[in-house]
Amino acid sequence: DAGVIQSPRHEVTEMGQEVTLRCKPISGHDYLFWYRQTMMRGLELLIYFNNNVPIDDSGMPEDRFSAKMPNASFSTLKIQPSEPRDSAVYFCASSSEAALESFGPGTRLTVT
Amino acid sequence: AQSVTQLGSHVSVSEGALVLLRCNYSSSVPPYLFWYVQYPNQGLQLLLKYTSAATLVKGINGFEAEFKKSETSFHLTKPSAHMSDAAEYFCAVSDLPGGTSYGKLTFGQGTILTVHP
Repeated sequence: DAGVIQSPRHEVTEMGQEVTLRCKPISGHDYLFWYRQTMMRGLELLIYFNNNVPIDDSGMPEDRFSAKMPNASFSTLKIQPSEPRDSAVYFCASSSEAALESFGPGTRLTVT
Repeated sequence: AQSVTQLGSHVSVSEGALVLLRCNYSSSVPPYLFWYVQYPNQGLQLLLKYTSAATLVKGINGFEAEFKKSETSFHLTKPSAHMSDAAEYFCAVSDLPGGTSYGKLTFGQGTILTVHP
């Protein structure tokens, strides 16, 4: 079991640029979650999917953020345009009714 | 809405001493409760979970937690701290399977555990 895979592990970009974070969930898991972790706000759920369908996106900060899950094995979180306040660690996690959430290693995003 | 409060953002203990990290939850329905650990620059790792079976839950690395409904608490303990326990610990709550928010974890703010030699 490879676990949840995220890429890239680190991303440094300039303000205004588009950033795309990628996630491959554990095979067979039908829930996928995107979290953001910052010192100020802790761990926040941004959005989650069930069977590739977005269920709750109330945590997405604003229209600059978007997430997609085109199939059961891939999801993206896009920020366009990026701002310095988006700097954080972004975690992807997956789960199923029978298995609890497994977290990926995270992507550390720095926007300068 | 569910919420979690972790009492104490920093806890410091001596090696060999008891570890007690406090967590209180708020939920309108019977919850699932979790403790996760995060080592520096790493993702979150599940320590243990309460899923409405036994109220005393044993996890990995010698940790355990007791679900007390009357106190709405789920405190994490370990009898004897080890240097390798130094990390940040998160308590989390979610709905039961079939609940409207099943799978959606709400995290506490975290408690940083420091272990002194």
